[in-house]
Amino acid sequence: GNSVTQMEGPVTLSEEAFLTINCTYTATGYPSLFWYVQYPGEGLQLLLKATKADDKGSNKGFEATYRKETTSFHLEKGSVQVSDSAVYFCALTTYSSASKIIFGSGTRLSIRP
Amino acid sequence: NAGVTQTPKFQVLKTGQSMTLQCAQDMNHNSMYWYRQDPGMGLRLIYYSASEGTTDKGEVPNGYNVSRLNKREFSLRLESAAPSQTSVYFCASSEALRQGATNEKLFFGSGTQLSVL
Repeated sequence: GNSVTQMEGPVTLSEEAFLTINCTYTATGYPSLFWYVQYPGEGLQLLLKATKADDKGSNKGFEATYRKETTSFHLEKGSVQVSDSAVYFCALTTYSSASKIIFGSGTRLSIRP
Repeated sequence: NAGVTQTPKFQVLKTGQSMTLQCAQDMNHNSMYWYRQDPGMGLRLIYYSASEGTTDKGEVPNGYNVSRLNKREFSLRLESAAPSQTSVYFCASSEALRQGATNEKLFFGSGTQLSVL
C-alpha cells in the first residue's frame, strides 16, 4: 500500500546549521508529495509541495526535490533559525476514487540559539 | 478569516462516555477529514468525506462515527470513549484533491486535545 517513512527525531541543531530531514515513500501511480509544518499549539500548514518527478518545491528557504528513482523527497535548508523549531511531516496524495493525504510520523526539529 | 474551526479545544472524558467533536469550514471546500495525532505515529486518518453526502473510512475508524451535516460541517462522534482514544484530533478541509490541481492542500483546524480516563 501507500506509505511515507521519514527520519526519526528529535533533531537538534545550532542556528545557521544545514538541515536535512529524510523522507522516502511507497506509492502506486504518480503521487504528489508534500512537506507540512506544525508549530507548537497549532494545526499543520503546508510548507511546500511537488507534483511530478524532478520538480523542486521551495518556501521560506526550505527546498525538497521529487526523486522518483530513489522514491525520496528530502527536506533541506541551508541555514536554520530558531523560528524553524517545529514538527515537520512528509506526506503524499493518493489519487484514487476518493483522494486523501497520507502522512509520515513527523520529525521534531529544535534549533539552539 | 476563520478557516477551519474545531470545538472544543480540550476535553476530558471518563471511559464509556460519549461526545461529539465539531468542525466547520468557511472556504466552501468539498472535502473534509478527521485525523488523530499520537506521539511517534504522526497523523492517521480516521474518516473523510470527499463531498457533501459521502463519508468513508480511513486507517483507524474503529470506535468512531462521523456525520457530514452539510458542506460546511463535519462532526466526529465517540459513542463509548476508551483510554486508547486519548489523542489530539485534527479536522481538515480541502478542495477535492486531484492530480494537476494548483491549490491542492489541506487546511487544518487548531486541534482538540482529548483525554479519556
